[in-house]
Amino acid sequence: GAVVSQHPSWVICKSGTSVKIECRSLDFQATTMFWYRQFPKQSLMLMATSNEGSKATYEQGVEKDKFLINHASLTLSTLTVTSAHPEDSSFYICSAPDFVGGPLHFGNGTRLTVT
Amino acid sequence: KQEVTQIPAALSVPEGENLVLNCSFTDSAIYNLQWFRQDPGKGLTSLLLIQSSQREQTSGRLNASLDKSSGRSTLYIAASQPGDSATYLCARMDSNSGYALNFGKGTSLLVTP
Repeated sequence: GAVVSQHPSWVICKSGTSVKIECRSLDFQATTMFWYRQFPKQSLMLMATSNEGSKATYEQGVEKDKFLINHASLTLSTLTVTSAHPEDSSFYICSAPDFVGGPLHFGNGTRLTVT
Repeated sequence: KQEVTQIPAALSVPEGENLVLNCSFTDSAIYNLQWFRQDPGKGLTSLLLIQSSQREQTSGRLNASLDKSSGRSTLYIAASQPGDSATYLCARMDSNSGYALNFGKGTSLLVTP
């Protein structure tokens, strides 16, 4: 089955630094990847849609200059949290379909803690 | 944005009981609906996916139904076990939202021995 690999699984960083999260589709090509964020005891909220070879589409209220998304190949999308602050501490999870409109395959998520 | 509502928010049942988790959504023009399981601090495990043309899907002790006209889906768990304890998330996919999933807040299930 289709597998999405995400790493790191957890990261602790200091306030003001940047953190990069990688999301890879291991056995399929993903023209689209979705990035979600989940705060404690909340549901998953879509942050942005990553499109291979073009700019990402951000949901309302998500700062595109703070959450940089790069989807340079059909198997890799990265999310960089720039100048991280404690309020950015959250669970970030990526997903991708192996065909348009297909079921989404999720990575295992990244737990970010900003101190 | 289309809303997805899950009721109840939390549920505690003794082992062996059959139970139903509810999910409701606005707008019947969904592409598909998925149920996931999430264990504390973990990622998502896909349980069942129902296409808009389907009415139900079954996998083992799980059965999910979809009623587009009423905007409802239910997840039925038969003969619950302590290992079923987790948060269950309902999510809808729309073609007009780029085929992203829109999640409900989940039902936290505790099955006691």
